[in-house]
Amino acid sequence: DAKTTQPNSMESNEEEPVHLPCNHSTISGTDYIHWYRQLPSQGPEYVIHGLTSNVNNRMASLAIAEDRKSSTLILHRATLRDAAVYYCILRRSGGGADGLTFGKGTHLIIQP
Amino acid sequence: GAGVSQSPRYKVAKRGQDVALRCDPISGHVSLFWYQQALGQGPEFLTYFQNEAQLDKSGLPSDRFFAERPEGSVSTLKIQRTQQEDSAVYLCASSLVRTENTEAFFGQGTRLTVV
Repeated sequence: DAKTTQPNSMESNEEEPVHLPCNHSTISGTDYIHWYRQLPSQGPEYVIHGLTSNVNNRMASLAIAEDRKSSTLILHRATLRDAAVYYCILRRSGGGADGLTFGKGTHLIIQP
Repeated sequence: GAGVSQSPRYKVAKRGQDVALRCDPISGHVSLFWYQQALGQGPEFLTYFQNEAQLDKSGLPSDRFFAERPEGSVSTLKIQRTQQEDSAVYLCASSLVRTENTEAFFGQGTRLTVV
């Protein structure tokens, strides 16, 4: 699966929006963009995924660039419970690795 | 339960001991994955099952690691002759099917400490 690049850490204030960037310049046309997060001492948790169009769910929004070489996970109103490591992962359709390739992710710090 | 369940949550083993880690996936989930997560790192893929068939074991670090899922539901990851470098959190995940368009559900993991 293609590689993603994320900042090591980001900091934000409680109740403000958070935009977590991910670069994936070698993405192929059949790669889905997935986001997972991992809270301290927990297993990873699915957040959202998409292919080409922007996606919204109860947890977050995913904005995908028109050329698909980058994407942004948007938390509309961060809470202290959103402090976690966020992973941007590509999943190839019709092949590719069976497991998720996590990388190091972005450590999101939320200040009260 | 509704989620993926792993047991034990914590395991301390003396170097050289064998250990067995259990995973109960969500009922009806065809796909099951094992991952290893070292301290401060992201999870790394170990092996993948589709029902009872182990289709990918490319991530298993050595022949001391063995996984099975004999009836296509519960899975066990066994580590023989444990070594200190095996100390990590072992995560199990399941999904309805293995496709790029589905989400995986993770358990809380088993923290293995080899002393």
